[in-house]
Amino acid sequence: AQSVTQLDSHVSVSEGTPVLLRCNYSSSYSPSLFWYVQHPNKGLQLLLKYTSAATLVKGINGFEAEFKKSETSFHLTKPSAHMSDAAEYFCVVGGSQGNLIFGKGTKLSVKP
Amino acid sequence: EAGVAQSPRYKIIEKRQSVAFWCNPISGHATLYWYQQILGQGPKLLIQFQNNGVVDDSQLPKDRFSAERLKGVDSTLKIQPAKLEDSAVYLCASSLVGGAYEQYFGPGTRLTVT
Repeated sequence: AQSVTQLDSHVSVSEGTPVLLRCNYSSSYSPSLFWYVQHPNKGLQLLLKYTSAATLVKGINGFEAEFKKSETSFHLTKPSAHMSDAAEYFCVVGGSQGNLIFGKGTKLSVKP
Repeated sequence: EAGVAQSPRYKIIEKRQSVAFWCNPISGHATLYWYQQILGQGPKLLIQFQNNGVVDDSQLPKDRFSAERLKGVDSTLKIQPAKLEDSAVYLCASSLVGGAYEQYFGPGTRLTVT
């Protein structure tokens, strides 16, 4: 069965500093992995997706993630945080029927 | 293109009452999903439709929850009777085809059961 574990429930950074949100996955086959972002009172938005092509995946708003099979990880990074990045971020693995299996989320706070 | 529409956006009911949520997916999207997101958790799939047929409803509490997708387009999710633990945001999502993973989410309906 597929699952994801987000290692931090809350991450706080200063504006202009790097962002690292950690995610480990478990899958019985080569996984499809995603990061979604949820701003307050807004719908979930796809940031990026990995579907067995390049291991370094670039997404929207300067985010990227690296698929590391040996570490079963798919961490999300951004070189420089912006105030507008404050939101909840979900690491997601694709299920066997096209459904999505979400992690518990990491709340990112950005201090001025 | 228009996104996934949901209504109402907010609903407050008392326990044991019934409630219904409505979802209109993106035009042409064959697959529709309902998720439940409890505060502090990630969304959990309740039911998945392919056109107007059910693909997966293994996590739908069928003693109180029901869902239908009329003519393969709009969908309604109903809870009867509601319990306190049903307080959550109910998200609808759609995708062009099943198994494609590229899902587009609506803004959700926040349900509070008192």
